[in-house]
Amino acid sequence: DQQVKQNSPSLSVQEGRISILNCDYTNSMFDYFLWYKKYPAEGPTFLISISSIKDKNEDGRFTVFLNKSAKHLSLHIVPSQPGDSAVYFCAASATSGTYKYIFGTGTRLKVLA
Amino acid sequence: GAGVSQSPSNKVTEKGKDVELRCDPISGHTALYWYRQSLGQGLEFLIYFQGNSAPDKSGLPSDRFSAERTGGSVSTLTIQRTQQEDSAVYLCASSLVVLAGETQYFGPGTRLLVL
Repeated sequence: DQQVKQNSPSLSVQEGRISILNCDYTNSMFDYFLWYKKYPAEGPTFLISISSIKDKNEDGRFTVFLNKSAKHLSLHIVPSQPGDSAVYFCAASATSGTYKYIFGTGTRLKVLA
Repeated sequence: GAGVSQSPSNKVTEKGKDVELRCDPISGHTALYWYRQSLGQGLEFLIYFQGNSAPDKSGLPSDRFSAERTGGSVSTLTIQRTQQEDSAVYLCASSLVVLAGETQYFGPGTRLLVL
């Protein structure tokens, strides 16, 4: 049972354009969400997070949107740069739960120069 | 060091052998997590430690897997009688405290190949 789903395994975007990565979840108890970026042969690195009390969080070129009613979040990267090419994982946790994150399967983003 | 370190970076073993994977968390981080990523899969939670105790072992795939943490620092993940399906990248992460929403900092992982 995949509680966090990233249905697009890969995405290609032209440099300078917007990249939109999507994530869906099924557990309504999830109330904290994060995005991690992973380069080959490296561990994931934290990118941006959002609490369920907000519907948007912005950090530079990165914005995460949360739609609780749809159990959907998305990561927008504007403008996309070749260095953004990586695998992006979304993760969710429940503050009333056991403090573990449930990760999606990742989306490989390729930004074309 | 400044970040989470893991050793070995790569491990090739024969089916049936035992392996030990090591994780050195960021100094001062009380929480430590183990995940694995199989080919084409997401990060699968295995176990987490709060200090030296493991409140949640629910992700360990079988009783061949065990983990311990000593001195609130280094952790070892042991896989006994390895099977080919154990081949994966094993990732360790640490965070300052055990709290939902606390950022987890990941090590580079140990790539395990069971022949």
